[in-house]
Amino acid sequence: DAGVIQSPRHEVTEMGQEVTLRCKPISGHNSLFWYRQTMMRGLELLIYFNNNVPIDDSGMPEDRFSAKMPNASFSTLKIQPSEPRDSAVYFCASSTSRGATYGYTFGSGTRLTVV
Amino acid sequence: AQTVTQSQPEMSVQEAETVTLSCTYDTSESDYYLFWYKQPPSRQMILVIRQEAYKQQNATENRFSVNFQKAAKSFSLKISDSQLGDAAMYFCAISAGNNRKLIWGLGTSLAVNP
Repeated sequence: DAGVIQSPRHEVTEMGQEVTLRCKPISGHNSLFWYRQTMMRGLELLIYFNNNVPIDDSGMPEDRFSAKMPNASFSTLKIQPSEPRDSAVYFCASSTSRGATYGYTFGSGTRLTVV
Repeated sequence: AQTVTQSQPEMSVQEAETVTLSCTYDTSESDYYLFWYKQPPSRQMILVIRQEAYKQQNATENRFSVNFQKAAKSFSLKISDSQLGDAAMYFCAISAGNNRKLIWGLGTSLAVNP
């Protein structure tokens, strides 16, 4: 299995631009999580999906952030418009329905820099 | 609600020595699971070891073992025969009850000195 695949690995964009991060979970995993990691705040859960349905988006910072999961093999996290404070590493993780028991598998992350 | 505290922001160990990373947690649930993840400079988050709260026996994975003290709500990670490749950030996490979410500590940065 190729694991959780995220793209791009690095993204540099100008303030005000739209940014789209992509994630392909492991086949057969039905839960998907988007995290943001910064030095100041550590790992923050932004949103998670179960069977393609958003279950908890309470961590989404504001309306500029949106996430979709149109099917079991693809999810996007969009930031529009982007701001310098959005600079962080964004991780996607997936798990089976027993993920809370056995843990998640993470992608390699996208390092986003907004200038 | 669950909380996880890692009180050691940074630690170092000599190659081939043993090091213990601390983690304490809080939960009111009786059914929960504890995890240690490793994040090397490549930034990939890797599951190192997990512990089921209902099991008294401490989990072990090769050179990695835990000291699970349920009454004290402590879940420390011991790395034996430390190797240069063990240098990384280590995160402790808990999942409890029906909540699918992992709650994370802020991490401990481990340096391994040759």
